[in-house]
Amino acid sequence: AAGVIQSPRHLIKEKRETATLKCYPIPRHDTVYWYQQGPGQDPQFLISFYEKMQSDKGSIPDRFSAQQFSDYHSELNMSSLELGDSALYFCASSSLEPGQGAYNEQFFGPGTRLTVL
Amino acid sequence: AQSVTQLGSHVSVSEGALVLLRCNYSSSVPPYLFWYVQYPNQGLQLLLKYTTGATLVKGINGFEAEFKKSETSFHLTKPSAHMSDAAEYFCAALMDSSYKLIFGSGTRLLVRP
Repeated sequence: AAGVIQSPRHLIKEKRETATLKCYPIPRHDTVYWYQQGPGQDPQFLISFYEKMQSDKGSIPDRFSAQQFSDYHSELNMSSLELGDSALYFCASSSLEPGQGAYNEQFFGPGTRLTVL
Repeated sequence: AQSVTQLGSHVSVSEGALVLLRCNYSSSVPPYLFWYVQYPNQGLQLLLKYTTGATLVKGINGFEAEFKKSETSFHLTKPSAHMSDAAEYFCAALMDSSYKLIFGSGTRLLVRP
């Protein structure tokens, strides 16, 4: 079965550079979530999109922006990178299941490991 | 604030012994609950989930968890640990119809030969 695809898998950047992370959801999934997992930490929710509109926002720095495109893929843009941005960035996708209320299982991609030097 | 708490950042068991990883949540409304496993340098894999219905849920790799509303707990168990179970385990919750997962701080399971 098709899974969530993230690219690149690994990325090394210098401080103050920019980075773009891409996420391709499972086919027919209309919702995308971004999470950040720092070294030795639990994943923290950054932002989510449903049908190309931002649906929720977490602890995402102002230096970061994201969007979801017409084909439902999403991109996380990160500018003025800092050492503390080094982390594993997960994308997850889901689709609302009729009759399931608010429950929509999130399927995670393998993550993009960003290292800022 | 709503939160998920995992007791014990590290749990060490012998191969063949019982595995018990603890998870408690704080929410006035029972959330949907999940356990994820993360192997080194890999993504998050769903082990099992509780949404509604039966409070004892079975997952992959022989794991199961029981939702106890009175204790606001969702502990993960496995009768007999295997070396391949060594990994990081995260408990997570969807609360108050929010679509974002709230994760616990994780428990690293070590399995001794």
